[in-house]
Amino acid sequence: KAGVTQTPRYLIKTRGQQVTLSCSPISGHRSVSWYQQTPGQGLQFLFEYFSETQRNKGNFPGRFSGRQFSNSRSEMNVSTLELGDSALYLCASSSRDRGETQYFGPGTRLLVL
Amino acid sequence: KQEVTQIPAALSVPEGENLVLNCSFTDSAIYNLQWFRQDPGKGLTSLLLIQSSQREQTSGRLNASLDKSSGRSTLYIAASQPGDSATYLCAVKDGGGATNKLIFGTGTLLAVQP
Repeated sequence: KAGVTQTPRYLIKTRGQQVTLSCSPISGHRSVSWYQQTPGQGLQFLFEYFSETQRNKGNFPGRFSGRQFSNSRSEMNVSTLELGDSALYLCASSSRDRGETQYFGPGTRLLVL
Repeated sequence: KQEVTQIPAALSVPEGENLVLNCSFTDSAIYNLQWFRQDPGKGLTSLLLIQSSQREQTSGRLNASLDKSSGRSTLYIAASQPGDSATYLCAVKDGGGATNKLIFGTGTLLAVQP
């Protein structure tokens, strides 16, 4: 099976712009979670989608949003970018509701100038 | 609020040594615990998953243990190799709620010297 894929792999944006990142889970996986990784804060949970419904949301401002499509692919959007949004954004997929290994994609490196 | 800590933050060992990485968590009501490795600039690779009812899991040269009552997990790496050099992260999934949210530790940066 193909692993979790994320596009694009690298992005450079300027403050105030918006960005959309994409994640394709492993075939058959219905749960997709998003994380932000920075040197200062480490890995922080953004949100999780399961069967097109947001199931949980981390402590991030409303500028961060996401959605999941019927084929389980997910997108996250960040509006009005700030310098502090520069980070590695990782998504993870899992096959079942709970209790299963989560598999991570290679990430999207976002640089905000 | 669950907090996950990893000690040490960095570790350097000569090739061939056995080593132990530590992970502690403040709330023992976890659903499972997962160990990952991360190579520089890359995503996370899952190493081992331990369910809350299990005491340990093994995969090749890796062995992970879980002691829920004391809030601790250890990752044992036998006969370390330079290719084991990476950042190792532990993450817990809390026992409450139907969610896959993981809470990560800050990681241990491992360097295995040839």
